[in-house]
Amino acid sequence: GQNIDQPTEMTATEGAIVQINCTYQTSGFNGLFWYQQHAGEAPTFLSYNVLDGLEEKGRFSSFLSRSKGYSYLLLKELQMKDSASYLCAVSDSNYQLIWGAGTKLIIKP
Amino acid sequence: GAVVSQHPSRVICKSGTSVKIECRSLDFQATTMFWYRQFPKKSLMLMATSNEGSKATYEQGVEKDKFLINHASLTLSTLTVTSAHPEDSSFYICSAREGDSYYEQYFGPGTRLTVT
Repeated sequence: GQNIDQPTEMTATEGAIVQINCTYQTSGFNGLFWYQQHAGEAPTFLSYNVLDGLEEKGRFSSFLSRSKGYSYLLLKELQMKDSASYLCAVSDSNYQLIWGAGTKLIIKP
Repeated sequence: GAVVSQHPSRVICKSGTSVKIECRSLDFQATTMFWYRQFPKKSLMLMATSNEGSKATYEQGVEKDKFLINHASLTLSTLTVTSAHPEDSSFYICSAREGDSYYEQYFGPGTRLTVT
């Protein structure tokens, strides 16, 4: 079956760095997405990786290793507004998104 | 960037009535639209995928007669929850995709449905 695993909840301190991991097992692979979702709102796109390596976009970076079925989202210089759920999703062989359960990130002052 | 609107944002209805939710892509043509359901503190659950002009493909366990999906044009899809019951109360989110390949899905703001 298809499976996406990510931690349920993480806590970090304002100004620090946090890494959210995601491992996946899917039928086919056409890229991995990270989305941010604030409570009561729809997800917003953060990043897309289809090749191995690190993609950097401002304070956020996303890494992919296809051989290991592994990705992480790195958030630097954490701000209180970064408190949200972070969803990992993999596009499978049919270009359908398979979603992880999301990681709730709590930022403390 | 691409914008997807969803209407209404919140709706309260009585048990047994039907509710229609609209999803529109405002500045692009959505060849494919997706309907998701999300329970509190849970991830997105894909309900169905719809392509313009054809019947929606429902995920296993989703009742097609209860959740009617119509994708009448390249910019509009509707989800009708028929004979709603309290257990249908949830956050319903649509998303739209412009192409068939890797293109990201653009999400609407969601609709909070409460059935009393």
